Amino acid sequence: GAVVSQHPSWVICKSGTSVKIECRSLDFQATTMFWYRQFPKQSLMLMATSNEGSKATYEQGVEKDKFLINHASLTLSTLTVTSAHPEDSSFYICSALRTLMGNSPLHFGNGTRLTVT
Amino acid sequence: GQNIDQPTEMTATEGAIVQINCTYQTSGFNGLFWYQQHAGEAPTFLSYNVLDGLEEKGRFSSFLSRSKGYSYLLLKELQMKDSASYLCAVRDSNYQLIWGAGTKLIIKP
Repeated sequence: GAVVSQHPSWVICKSGTSVKIECRSLDFQATTMFWYRQFPKQSLMLMATSNEGSKATYEQGVEKDKFLINHASLTLSTLTVTSAHPEDSSFYICSALRTLMGNSPLHFGNGTRLTVT
Repeated sequence: GQNIDQPTEMTATEGAIVQINCTYQTSGFNGLFWYQQHAGEAPTFLSYNVLDGLEEKGRFSSFLSRSKGYSYLLLKELQMKDSASYLCAVRDSNYQLIWGAGTKLIIKP
């Protein structure tokens, strides 16, 4: 069964509003979670690495003030898209690692399809 | 720079075998992953290779040659449901995942 839960699955919002996406690890504690964005027919693009109890690490070109990440507990990370614009419309996917090493794969949430009108 | 190359698209026939190649140049190597992604869905884990050789898991097998910076995913007895994108990802020396652009596999009856 799913080990990472992501909500909502899809959301439509008006330009200028903010949207919060939640990512939960269901049966393990995830000290590190990752947020990806994927545009149609393109690969995953890492946006930021979320570490429990500390500030997220953002990839180059990702605006930290626009994409707010909070990793308040070992099982929950949230991504808030602030003042959303149509160009922010995309598929956002979170993922978590049980451990950083070994053959531990990245477990993905089901993704959130954001449409900004 | 770090780079992972996969073919953009492949077509195969139901019941046949297909091999999806992946070559990589990364800063260090701590394992290679294959994921399957159906359209509109999140990726799901298929396989992991860290040592040279073939890992078999049912209809799917994955091969790794570290000296050549090369891996392939082999899908046997293809089914229509195998139509998806297949993503190759390498974990580098910093344990960061570097993703390929994915290979879209189209299965025809």
